[in-house]
Parts: sequence; C-alpha cells; structure tokens
Amino acid sequence: DAGVTQSPTHLIKTRGQHVTLRCSPISGHKSVSWYQQVLGQGPQFIFQYYEKEERGRGNFPDRFSARQFPNYSSELNVNALLLGDSALYLCASSFPGGGTGVDTDTQYFGPGTRLTVL
Amino acid sequence: ELKVEQNPLFLSMQEGKNYTIYCNYSTTSDRLYWYRQDPGKSLESLFVLLSNGAVKQEGRLMASLDTKARLSTLHITAAVHDLSATYFCAVDMGSPSGTYKYIFGTGTRLKVLA
Repeated sequence: DAGVTQSPTHLIKTRGQHVTLRCSPISGHKSVSWYQQVLGQGPQFIFQYYEKEERGRGNFPDRFSARQFPNYSSELNVNALLLGDSALYLCASSFPGGGTGVDTDTQYFGPGTRLTVL
Repeated sequence: ELKVEQNPLFLSMQEGKNYTIYCNYSTTSDRLYWYRQDPGKSLESLFVLLSNGAVKQEGRLMASLDTKARLSTLHITAAVHDLSATYFCAVDMGSPSGTYKYIFGTGTRLKVLA
C-alpha cells in the first residue's frame, strides 16, 4: 500500500509569494495533520482536519490556511511568505482519529516538502 | 504555557549500554507518542501510549507513561549503532470537545558509538 504522499518535494519561493502544498493520506485514513519543522527543531503543529472539518489549530498566523477534500487529500496554503517560513512541511494521516475515541491514533508521516523562501 | 521538554538533548553512548530519555510535559494529557527521525528523513512512529501506566516495547526500545507525574520515558537496552537518530516525544493536548493540538518535544539526538 502507498504511504502518505506529498508534493512537491522541494520548492523555492521569494518573500511575499504564495505557496500551496499538497498531501494524499494513506487509503482509508480520514484525518490529516500538517506540521512545520525548522532545521534542528521539533515539528510544530499547524492544523488537523478530520472529515473535511478543522479539528485542531496550532499557533500560526492567519497567513496559514488549509482544507481537506472529499477524497481526504489536503492542501496547506501559505500567503505572503516570510524568510522564517523556510522549513520542512510534514503531513501526517491517521485512522480514524478525529476524536472518535478509538485508540488507533498512530500518525503516519509523509516525506515532507522542503520550502525555501529567499 | 504548553511545553514538552526532553532530556537529554544530546546523547552519545557506547554500543551495548543502557540509557533512558525523559519527556516531561506541562499540562494534563493521557496521549503521548514517540517518534524517530533519521537525518534528512521524515518521522517514523515508534509508540502510542494512551493511558496512565502504559508500557510498550519493541526490540531494544521500551516506552512508558506516568500521567500523574506528566512524564514519559524511552528506555534503550543494549544500544546498537542502528538506533542512532533523533527521538521526539509528542503530547496530544486536545480538549474534551475533540479538538486536537499536538506539541512535540525538543528532540533527543542519539549517537551510538561502536
């Protein structure tokens, strides 16, 4: 079975531009989470979506937004890019997650998108 | 403030030795996760601990959770070079309404020397 996939793998943008990152979860997984990992640090939680609804949000500015589609894939959008947005953006999927109370909350991470803002 | 602290931050150990990584968190949670990350790679889930007193073991790694002390440990037994990686704990500080907020620890960079 295919794991979590993310696109693109690498991306170079300039300050002020907009970027869209994409994630396809493992088949059957309904929950998708996004993380930002700056080099040398732990991942920072950005969003979690379950059944197309936002279920969690980290401490990120409104320039960051996301959505989940009917096929459970997800997009992360970042507007007005800053140099500090340069990082590895990770997507993780889980089943069923989303507050169902079932203890199968293992998150499976994708390979990430490396974003460089110049 | 929601904080998850790991110690040590760096750990260099000889093959065959035992050691423990500690993960302390600042607020109530009964869901704690351990991950491994190799350089330049993504995260690999190691353990999911969902209740007080939970203990899980896989190979040379054993994780435990004490929700009253807000402490989790990752114990390494008879370390081998292949265990060299960065290890993260993460806590789900979600609310009873079902919203989720995951806080990752600072990470422990482990190097096992031959």
